Amino acid sequence: GENVEQHPSTLSVQEGDSAVIKCTYSDSASNYFPWYKQELGKRPQLIIDIRSNVGEKKDQRIAVTLNKTAKHFSLHITETQPEDSAVYFCAASIGNTGNQFYFGTGTSLTVIP
Amino acid sequence: GAVVSQHPSWVICKSGTSVKIECRSLDFQATTMFWYRQFPKQSLMLMATSNEGSKATYEQGVEKDKFLINHASLTLSTLTVTSAHPEDSSFYICSARSSVRANYGYTFGSGTRLTVV
Repeated sequence: GENVEQHPSTLSVQEGDSAVIKCTYSDSASNYFPWYKQELGKRPQLIIDIRSNVGEKKDQRIAVTLNKTAKHFSLHITETQPEDSAVYFCAASIGNTGNQFYFGTGTSLTVIP
Repeated sequence: GAVVSQHPSWVICKSGTSVKIECRSLDFQATTMFWYRQFPKQSLMLMATSNEGSKATYEQGVEKDKFLINHASLTLSTLTVTSAHPEDSSFYICSARSSVRANYGYTFGSGTRLTVV
């Protein structure tokens, strides 16, 4: 099955700085890569996703890049704010219809005011 | 749209008893739902894929006789933890996506925190 690795496991940044989280995947058939933000005790919330036919996608302060050849994708958060503090998970999935996600190990992001 | 309700949000049970967790898609139909388990400060681990009208597909290492999954309708999947033990204590969470409106993406339920004493 798919194996998703995520780094770093913890990340602290000063408010206003940028944060980058990286993930790699093993199955070249994976073609959908969402990123989730999970606050303590709450459900994961989708913040951005990218499909394999796109190299980069941006939504305000959040962007995701994908390198299919190297099988890695990254989450970029600019102008970080304290409310960005949470655990972030990347995931990989094959196909568009009802396929399961395989999650990375998570990154605990702390934004220091 | 795309709301997934999970119930109960937390439950405490005695060792040896069974606990049923429900996952409902409120405003869409989902032929497939997924069940995950999350231990404290760890990632979500896929347990099984729940398929409406057929048997669930379990991930390697997940005991199908212990974690019973029933997906009897297009809006409801249930996970029953049978003969629960303290090591089953965890955060269980489901996810689903509309069979028709694929652009909505996957939505997670609010999760169920199970404590077995």
